[in-house]
Amino acid sequence: DAKTTQPNSMESNEEEPVHLPCNHSTISGTDYIHWYRQLPSQGPEYVIHGLTSNVNNRMASLAIAEDRKSSTLILHRATLRDAAVYYCILYDHFYNQGGKLIFGQGTELSVKP
Amino acid sequence: GAGVSQSPSNKVTEKGKDVELRCDPISGHTALYWYRQSLGQGLEFLIYFQGNSAPDKSGLPSDRFSAERTGGSVSTLTIQRTQQEDSAVYLCASSIGTSSSYNEQFFGPGTRLTVL
Repeated sequence: DAKTTQPNSMESNEEEPVHLPCNHSTISGTDYIHWYRQLPSQGPEYVIHGLTSNVNNRMASLAIAEDRKSSTLILHRATLRDAAVYYCILYDHFYNQGGKLIFGQGTELSVKP
Repeated sequence: GAGVSQSPSNKVTEKGKDVELRCDPISGHTALYWYRQSLGQGLEFLIYFQGNSAPDKSGLPSDRFSAERTGGSVSTLTIQRTQQEDSAVYLCASSIGTSSSYNEQFFGPGTRLTVL
Protein backbone atom coordinates (compact mmCIF):
# COMPACT_ATOMS: atom_id res chain seq x y z
CA ASP A 1 0.00 0.00 0.00
CA ALA A 2 1.25 3.47 -0.87
CA LYS A 3 2.16 5.47 2.21
CA THR A 4 1.39 8.97 3.37
CA THR A 5 3.48 11.29 5.53
CA GLN A 6 1.91 13.90 7.77
CA PRO A 7 3.24 16.15 10.53
CA ASN A 8 2.56 14.68 13.96
CA SER A 9 0.90 17.83 15.24
CA MET A 10 -0.20 21.32 14.29
CA GLU A 11 -1.63 24.28 16.10
CA SER A 12 -4.14 26.83 14.92
CA ASN A 13 -6.01 29.80 16.25
CA GLU A 14 -9.76 29.82 16.27
CA GLU A 15 -11.43 31.40 13.22
CA GLU A 16 -8.21 31.26 11.19
CA PRO A 17 -7.62 29.00 8.17
CA VAL A 18 -5.70 25.77 8.67
CA HIS A 19 -3.66 23.99 6.03
CA LEU A 20 -2.91 20.35 6.83
CA PRO A 21 -0.26 18.89 4.51
CA CYS A 22 0.14 15.30 3.33
CA ASN A 23 2.93 13.82 1.23
CA HIS A 24 2.32 10.73 -0.88
CA SER A 25 5.19 10.49 -3.32
CA THR A 26 4.49 6.83 -4.23
CA ILE A 27 0.85 7.42 -5.14
CA SER A 28 -0.41 5.28 -8.02
CA GLY A 29 -2.67 6.35 -10.85
CA THR A 30 -5.72 4.69 -9.33
CA ASP A 31 -5.21 5.99 -5.78
CA TYR A 32 -7.70 8.50 -4.49
CA ILE A 33 -6.71 10.78 -1.62
CA HIS A 34 -9.08 10.54 1.33
CA TRP A 35 -9.24 12.45 4.57
CA TYR A 36 -10.87 11.29 7.76
CA ARG A 37 -10.76 12.92 11.15
CA GLN A 38 -11.19 11.56 14.64
CA LEU A 39 -12.58 13.79 17.35
CA PRO A 40 -11.62 12.92 20.94
CA SER A 41 -13.30 9.74 22.20
CA GLN A 42 -15.15 9.19 18.92
CA GLY A 43 -14.74 7.00 15.87
CA PRO A 44 -13.27 8.52 12.71
CA GLU A 45 -15.50 10.47 10.35
CA TYR A 46 -15.16 11.08 6.63
CA VAL A 47 -14.09 14.58 5.60
CA ILE A 48 -13.39 14.67 1.87
CA HIS A 49 -11.71 12.83 -1.00
CA GLY A 50 -10.37 13.58 -4.47
CA LEU A 51 -8.35 12.23 -7.39
CA THR A 52 -6.78 15.08 -9.35
CA SER A 53 -8.90 18.20 -9.18
CA ASN A 54 -9.36 20.32 -6.08
CA VAL A 55 -12.52 19.48 -4.17
CA ASN A 56 -14.79 21.47 -1.88
CA ASN A 57 -17.54 20.40 0.48
CA ARG A 58 -19.26 21.84 3.51
CA MET A 59 -16.52 20.65 5.84
CA ALA A 60 -13.31 21.46 4.01
CA SER A 61 -11.40 21.87 0.76
CA LEU A 62 -8.83 19.53 -0.68
CA ALA A 63 -6.02 20.95 -2.79
CA ILE A 64 -4.08 18.36 -4.82
CA ALA A 65 -0.70 19.09 -6.34
CA GLU A 66 -0.41 18.80 -10.09
CA ASP A 67 1.94 15.80 -9.81
CA ARG A 68 -0.35 14.31 -7.12
CA LYS A 69 2.58 13.67 -4.81
CA SER A 70 1.17 15.90 -2.13
CA SER A 71 -2.12 17.37 -1.03
CA THR A 72 -3.45 19.83 1.53
CA LEU A 73 -6.62 19.72 3.55
CA ILE A 74 -7.91 23.23 4.15
CA LEU A 75 -10.23 24.18 6.96
CA HIS A 76 -11.33 27.70 6.08
CA ARG A 77 -12.16 28.87 9.59
CA ALA A 78 -11.05 26.62 12.40
CA THR A 79 -13.36 26.22 15.35
CA LEU A 80 -12.70 24.55 18.69
CA ARG A 81 -14.76 21.61 17.44
CA ASP A 82 -12.22 21.00 14.68
CA ALA A 83 -9.62 19.86 17.21
CA ALA A 84 -9.02 16.27 16.14
CA VAL A 85 -6.56 13.85 14.57
CA TYR A 86 -6.68 14.20 10.78
CA TYR A 87 -5.78 11.18 8.67
CA CYS A 88 -4.70 11.35 5.03
CA ILE A 89 -5.32 7.96 3.38
CA LEU A 90 -4.67 6.64 -0.11
CA TYR A 91 -7.42 4.39 -1.36
CA ASP A 92 -7.21 2.48 -4.63
CA HIS A 93 -10.68 2.65 -6.13
CA PHE A 94 -9.80 0.18 -8.84
CA TYR A 95 -7.89 -2.59 -7.09
CA ASN A 96 -9.15 -2.25 -3.53
CA GLN A 97 -12.63 -3.63 -3.94
CA GLY A 98 -12.98 -4.25 -0.22
CA GLY A 99 -12.97 -0.72 1.07
CA LYS A 100 -10.27 -1.43 3.65
CA LEU A 101 -8.72 1.81 4.93
CA ILE A 102 -5.07 1.93 5.95
CA PHE A 103 -4.62 4.61 8.59
CA GLY A 104 -1.26 6.25 9.30
CA GLN A 105 -0.43 8.22 12.44
CA GLY A 106 -2.27 11.33 11.32
CA THR A 107 -1.87 14.97 12.38
CA GLU A 108 -3.18 16.04 15.74
CA LEU A 109 -4.68 19.50 15.30
CA SER A 110 -5.16 21.69 18.34
CA VAL A 111 -7.18 24.91 18.10
CA LYS A 112 -6.58 27.78 20.48
CA PRO A 113 -9.36 30.19 21.39
CA GLY B 1 -31.17 8.71 11.52
CA ALA B 2 -29.46 6.07 13.63
CA GLY B 3 -25.75 5.67 13.15
CA VAL B 4 -23.52 2.68 13.78
CA SER B 5 -23.93 1.43 17.32
CA GLN B 6 -21.61 -0.79 19.32
CA SER B 7 -22.01 -2.60 22.59
CA PRO B 8 -20.80 -2.68 25.22
CA SER B 9 -19.16 0.72 25.29
CA ASN B 10 -16.66 -0.53 27.85
CA LYS B 11 -15.59 -4.04 28.74
CA VAL B 12 -13.18 -5.08 31.45
CA THR B 13 -12.20 -8.72 31.52
CA GLU B 14 -9.61 -10.98 33.03
CA LYS B 15 -6.81 -12.51 31.05
CA GLY B 16 -7.87 -15.84 29.57
CA LYS B 17 -11.58 -15.07 29.37
CA ASP B 18 -13.55 -14.86 26.12
CA VAL B 19 -15.31 -11.65 25.07
CA GLU B 20 -17.90 -10.78 22.45
CA LEU B 21 -18.22 -7.33 20.94
CA ARG B 22 -21.31 -6.35 18.98
CA CYS B 23 -21.84 -3.99 16.08
CA ASP B 24 -25.14 -2.78 14.64
CA PRO B 25 -24.49 -1.14 11.27
CA ILE B 26 -26.59 1.52 9.62
CA SER B 27 -29.72 -0.05 8.16
CA GLY B 28 -29.23 -0.97 4.53
CA HIS B 29 -25.43 -0.92 4.64
CA THR B 30 -24.10 -4.13 3.15
CA ALA B 31 -20.43 -3.63 3.98
CA LEU B 32 -19.18 -3.81 7.55
CA TYR B 33 -15.65 -3.33 8.89
CA TRP B 34 -13.86 -3.96 12.16
CA TYR B 35 -10.81 -1.94 13.18
CA ARG B 36 -8.95 -1.61 16.42
CA GLN B 37 -7.06 1.29 17.89
CA SER B 38 -4.35 0.84 20.47
CA LEU B 39 -1.69 3.20 21.77
CA GLY B 40 1.16 1.31 20.24
CA GLN B 41 -0.35 0.42 16.86
CA GLY B 42 -2.66 3.24 15.91
CA LEU B 43 -5.79 2.40 13.94
CA GLU B 44 -5.58 -0.98 12.19
CA PHE B 45 -7.95 -2.92 9.98
CA LEU B 46 -9.11 -6.33 11.22
CA ILE B 47 -11.78 -7.76 8.91
CA TYR B 48 -14.51 -6.72 6.51
CA PHE B 49 -17.84 -8.24 5.52
CA GLN B 50 -19.79 -7.91 2.32
CA GLY B 51 -23.18 -9.22 3.30
CA ASN B 52 -22.53 -12.25 5.49
CA SER B 53 -19.27 -13.16 3.77
CA ALA B 54 -15.83 -12.06 4.92
CA PRO B 55 -13.63 -11.72 1.81
CA ASP B 56 -10.79 -10.11 3.75
CA LYS B 57 -9.75 -11.38 7.16
CA SER B 58 -6.14 -10.36 6.68
CA GLY B 59 -6.03 -8.05 9.69
CA LEU B 60 -7.07 -10.55 12.35
CA PRO B 61 -3.98 -10.78 14.58
CA SER B 62 -4.34 -14.42 15.60
CA ASP B 63 -6.70 -17.39 15.51
CA ARG B 64 -8.08 -16.26 18.85
CA PHE B 65 -9.97 -13.59 16.92
CA SER B 66 -13.06 -14.41 14.90
CA ALA B 67 -16.06 -12.53 13.59
CA GLU B 68 -19.38 -13.34 12.10
CA ARG B 69 -22.25 -11.49 10.58
CA THR B 70 -25.78 -12.77 10.34
CA GLY B 71 -28.70 -11.61 8.26
CA GLY B 72 -26.48 -9.09 6.56
CA SER B 73 -26.80 -6.89 9.60
CA VAL B 74 -25.41 -7.36 13.13
CA SER B 75 -21.82 -8.49 13.51
CA THR B 76 -20.03 -10.00 16.48
CA LEU B 77 -16.28 -9.94 17.03
CA THR B 78 -15.16 -12.67 19.42
CA ILE B 79 -11.81 -12.78 21.16
CA GLN B 80 -10.98 -16.05 22.87
CA ARG B 81 -8.53 -16.44 25.75
CA THR B 82 -7.92 -12.70 25.94
CA GLN B 83 -4.42 -11.39 26.50
CA GLN B 84 -3.32 -8.04 27.85
CA GLU B 85 -2.12 -6.97 24.40
CA ASP B 86 -5.73 -7.25 23.20
CA SER B 87 -6.58 -4.15 25.22
CA ALA B 88 -7.69 -1.52 22.73
CA VAL B 89 -10.69 0.34 21.36
CA TYR B 90 -12.50 -1.83 18.83
CA LEU B 91 -14.23 0.20 16.15
CA CYS B 92 -16.90 -0.91 13.72
CA ALA B 93 -17.78 0.88 10.50
CA SER B 94 -20.33 0.32 7.77
CA SER B 95 -20.86 1.58 4.25
CA ILE B 96 -23.53 1.23 1.60
CA GLY B 97 -21.54 -1.40 -0.24
CA THR B 98 -18.41 -2.08 -2.16
CA SER B 99 -18.09 -1.39 -5.85
CA SER B 100 -15.60 0.22 -8.12
CA SER B 101 -16.51 3.56 -6.63
CA TYR B 102 -15.75 4.53 -3.08
CA ASN B 103 -18.36 4.41 -0.37
CA GLU B 104 -17.87 6.54 2.72
CA GLN B 105 -17.42 4.54 5.91
CA PHE B 106 -19.44 5.51 8.96
CA PHE B 107 -17.85 4.59 12.25
CA GLY B 108 -19.39 3.67 15.55
CA PRO B 109 -18.18 5.03 18.90
CA GLY B 110 -16.16 1.91 19.65
CA THR B 111 -15.88 -0.59 22.47
CA ARG B 112 -13.02 -0.01 24.91
CA LEU B 113 -11.66 -3.40 25.96
CA THR B 114 -9.40 -3.68 28.97
CA VAL B 115 -7.79 -7.02 29.78
CA LEU B 116 -6.46 -7.23 33.31
